[in-house]
Amino acid sequence: DAGVIQSPRHEVTEMGQEVTLRCKPISGHDYLFWYRQTMMRGLELLIYFNNNVPIDDSGMPEDRFSAKMPNASFSTLKIQPSEPRDSAVYFCASSLPGSPHEQYFGPGTRLTVT
Amino acid sequence: AQKITQTQPGMFVQEKEAVTLDCTYDTSDPSYGLFWYKQPSSGEMIFLIYQGSYDQQNATEGRYSLNFQKARKSANLVISASQLGDSAMYFCAMREREYGNKLVFGAGTILRVKS
Repeated sequence: DAGVIQSPRHEVTEMGQEVTLRCKPISGHDYLFWYRQTMMRGLELLIYFNNNVPIDDSGMPEDRFSAKMPNASFSTLKIQPSEPRDSAVYFCASSLPGSPHEQYFGPGTRLTVT
Repeated sequence: AQKITQTQPGMFVQEKEAVTLDCTYDTSDPSYGLFWYKQPSSGEMIFLIYQGSYDQQNATEGRYSLNFQKARKSANLVISASQLGDSAMYFCAMREREYGNKLVFGAGTILRVKS
């Protein structure tokens, strides 16, 4: 079975532009997570969904960030407008409902905002 | 307070030797899970091993084992017979039942295996 798929793998954009990151979870996984990884702050959970419903978005840094999951096989993380401090690697992960809930990560999207 | 503490920023180990990566955690929730992930230089996050707070025995997965000392709140990862391909960043993470399925990660430990 294919793992978590993320696109694009790399994104370079200018400050002020809208950025959309995409994720396809593993089929049958009903939890989906968005993380951000930076040298300064490490790995941070931004938001997670269960059965397409956002459960906890307390990690979303500010209103410029939004995430959606319109169906079980697709999610987006949008940044509008983007800023240089948003430069990071963004990971999507998914997990099954049962214990132990180990999360399987996608390859990540490396975002650079100039 | 930090929920997950990994005190070793970097470690070296000789190929074929065993190495222990430290992880301590802080929680008052009686039900929690501890995870270890590997992040090689290519960047992907790879799940290695899991230990539940109620598990009586230490978890093992191939060359990986988890030295779980509940009273000390430590969950150290032991890698036996190190291989060059084990060189990577290793993250310890915790999930607490109170907070649903959120994972909180430590800062990580860089492991370098020497030939």
